[in-house]
Amino acid sequence: EADIYQTPRYLVIGTGKKITLECSQTMGHDKMYWYQQDPGMELHLIHYSYGVNSTEKGDLSSESTVSRIRTEHFPLTLESARPSHTSQYLCASSEFGVMSEKLFFGSGTQLSVL
Amino acid sequence: DAKTTQPTSMDCAEGRAANLPCNHSTISGNEYVYWYRQIHSQGPQYIIHGLKNNETNEMASLIITEDRKSSTLILPHATLRDTAVYYCISGNYGQNFVFGPGTRLSVLP
Repeated sequence: EADIYQTPRYLVIGTGKKITLECSQTMGHDKMYWYQQDPGMELHLIHYSYGVNSTEKGDLSSESTVSRIRTEHFPLTLESARPSHTSQYLCASSEFGVMSEKLFFGSGTQLSVL
Repeated sequence: DAKTTQPTSMDCAEGRAANLPCNHSTISGNEYVYWYRQIHSQGPQYIIHGLKNNETNEMASLIITEDRKSSTLILPHATLRDTAVYYCISGNYGQNFVFGPGTRLSVLP
């Protein structure tokens, strides 16, 4: 079983609030990702990281920011939440450097901004 | 854009084999084929992957054509809990994985 954890599982918050979605993995994986997914729609990569102090933007533009201070931790922050940010956010990790990289996903955070 | 194409949806009777096709006609020689599935509201779960040879594990079998332009994921005895969206992805070392819309499999009692 994958050891990647996301908290909170559900978050309902008002417009303008600052939020941080937590993601931690205990597998020692270097590469980590954040995907965004609306109901019934495809996953879109919004951020990824190759390791400590590495952050990159994904294919889908996002107003969120990420940080990678520790290998196991990859939090996502929204400085001022808006209703358009309502979505499911999925964190994943993989063992970078192997020929076939398997992704391990967390259970996701369902964010609702009122 | 995703580099693979899959049918939008499929039905399968409980207990029967579910055969999910995937077209990856532009796959390059060192790209693997991966399959994941996503059960409602959960994070995707890795199923299986392969490069050239057919592969089997406790969850499924993966059949890759000799020209590698298509593959089939086989769930040998589908159960209701196999109802999910199944994603076929191709990629290799260092690439980010692009998820397409996948195939929505409904296992019917």
